[in-house]
Amino acid sequence: QMQLVESGGGVVQPGKSLRLSCAASGFTFSTYTMHWVRQAPGKGLEWVALILSDASNDFYIDSVKGRFTISRDNSRNTLYLQMNSLRPEDTAVYYCARETYGSSSHYFDYWGQGTLVTVSS
Amino acid sequence: DIQMTQSPSSLSASVGDRVTITCRASQNIRNFLNWYQQKPGKAPKLLILAASSLQSGAPSRFSGSGSGTDFTLTISSLQPEDSSTYYCQQSYSSPRTFGQGTKVEIK
Repeated sequence: QMQLVESGGGVVQPGKSLRLSCAASGFTFSTYTMHWVRQAPGKGLEWVALILSDASNDFYIDSVKGRFTISRDNSRNTLYLQMNSLRPEDTAVYYCARETYGSSSHYFDYWGQGTLVTVSS
Repeated sequence: DIQMTQSPSSLSASVGDRVTITCRASQNIRNFLNWYQQKPGKAPKLLILAASSLQSGAPSRFSGSGSGTDFTLTISSLQPEDSSTYYCQQSYSSPRTFGQGTKVEIK
């Protein structure tokens, strides 16, 4: 069955780096645009970044531009988020999500379970 | 960036009530509007896509309507398991912005 499994979260000091992974299975990973979405404790959902199916283009929310890099390895069915220069305000559960196009629209039809990133000294 | 504004931010209703949540986009997004349900400690789950299409497996008491800038999520008869936070999201352009969420509680 379709599955997205995130890993790599943890506690990290401000200014340090962390790399998140999202392992995909049960579908043809290389044909889907993928996203990272985060949720700070007690807060709402915040879209972070996307990468096209062939990695030809990516897009970021302004607050992470120049610090975060989304990438993918279609041979390993894995999505990544390299997070550098981390700040306390980056503390959140990070979800990966698959975007599907259908009914003349785009939507996130599958999500991972999330991985918690805590930025604290 | 397109801003998404949901109202109310929270509501409390009784089992069997009809519940309506609204979402307004800061510009025309045609029908590129999705609704998600999230329970505490869980990932969001797609409920409605393309403004009004019910996701496979979602209960038929959920429905969506609207186009352009104004959208509505309706629960026709609230059930105890509908206690959740609901988010709208536009997929017309990037960034794929979410509304701030509406927390639905059961009286």
